[in-house]
Amino acid sequence: AQSVTQLDSQVPVFEEAPVELRCNYSSSVSVYLFWYVQYPNQGLQLLLKYLSGSTLVKGINGFEAEFNKSQTSFHLRKPSVHISDTAEYFCAVSDQSGGYQKVTFGTGTKLQVIP
Amino acid sequence: DVKVTQSSRYLVKRTGEKVFLECVQDMDHENMFWYRQDPGLGLRLIYFSYDVKMKEKGDIPEGYSVSREKKERFSLILESASTNQTSMYLCASRTGTNYLEQYFGPGTRLTVT
Repeated sequence: AQSVTQLDSQVPVFEEAPVELRCNYSSSVSVYLFWYVQYPNQGLQLLLKYLSGSTLVKGINGFEAEFNKSQTSFHLRKPSVHISDTAEYFCAVSDQSGGYQKVTFGTGTKLQVIP
Repeated sequence: DVKVTQSSRYLVKRTGEKVFLECVQDMDHENMFWYRQDPGLGLRLIYFSYDVKMKEKGDIPEGYSVSREKKERFSLILESASTNQTSMYLCASRTGTNYLEQYFGPGTRLTVT
């Protein structure tokens, strides 16, 4: 069974400051990893994904994430946040065992950017 | 541009009513999903369908059923709505050959009174 832990339910940060949103996962097989963003009153949209290869993944809106297999982590970072980044962020994992490939989502982290 | 639409953004129903939530995708995707989203609990999978007329239970199927008669449409049915089913419901779709990105609809906020 796979699982995802997002330790921080809310992260306040000042505008133009850097931010890191933490994600740890658990799985007995190799995984695909995702970060999704949900803006207020909208569905989720993909920020970035790790499938294989380089452990540093770049996504949309200046976000990036680093896959660390030894620490089973996939933390999301942005060097300078904007007001428009205020949203809820979800980390997700999907195992590579074939078949259906269920996706498991974390509980989400609300990023609040303070002017 | 890919699109997943849901029949209602907001819905208010009474306890005991039968409720239908509709989801339509225009991407010819094989896989479709229904999640519910609750504060502090993230997204939990209710049901998914990997092809027309095929369905599998997710993590929390109790009190729900689904129907997929056409590839583009996936319906979630609450046979007898209860107050604990008040939630945000999200539909998503994905290709069946590339198990990667899911595309989400805008969600339906259901209130059961």
